[in-house]
Amino acid sequence: DAKTTQPNSMESNEEEPVHLPCNHSTISGTDYIHWYRQLPSQGPEYVIHGLTSNVNNRMASLAIAEDRKSSTLILHRATLRDAAVYYCILRPEGSQGNLIFGKGTKLSVKP
Amino acid sequence: NAGVMQNPRHLVRRRGQEARLRCSPMKGHSHVYWYRQLPEEGLKFMVYLQKENIIDESGMPKERFSAEFPKEGPSILRIQQVVRGDSAAYFCASSPRNTEAFFGQGTRLTVV
Repeated sequence: DAKTTQPNSMESNEEEPVHLPCNHSTISGTDYIHWYRQLPSQGPEYVIHGLTSNVNNRMASLAIAEDRKSSTLILHRATLRDAAVYYCILRPEGSQGNLIFGKGTKLSVKP
Repeated sequence: NAGVMQNPRHLVRRRGQEARLRCSPMKGHSHVYWYRQLPEEGLKFMVYLQKENIIDESGMPKERFSAEFPKEGPSILRIQQVVRGDSAAYFCASSPRNTEAFFGQGTRLTVV
């Protein structure tokens, strides 16, 4: 499975935008980019996913580089409830297999 | 549509006892995944099941651990003769196909 690289931790101020980067230089053409997050003492939660085009939903936006070797999860206005570990995961199209979680980025949000 | 339900939320077992963890997937979901998260560590895949079939158990320890997803009823992760090192949070996820996975709140197993 292709691997992803994320910073171990990031800090943000409340109500400011947050850009969480992910590098995936060995991504293949059929790999989807998924983002999950895990709040303290909770199960992981799906955030967003995309293939080539940028994606928006109620939680976040996903910006995908033109060469697809990197992507950025954007939280437009961080709240204290967004403090979590964010995981960037590649999943082949049509795959029914498991999600492979790396170490993710631990996001701290300061009031 | 209720989310993925796991029970119990907390389970305490003495060394040598058996632990049974249950997972009811979301309605209509036929794929179930089990993950383990040791304290201060990441999520590690254990097993992937579809109804009545184990598809991938490459992450499951060879001994003492088993999983099933019967035609009727929840998926069960069973740990026999638990040891202290089994203490962890166990998460179940379900998905309808190869789209996003939905996770339960986990079962926190403590072995004393």
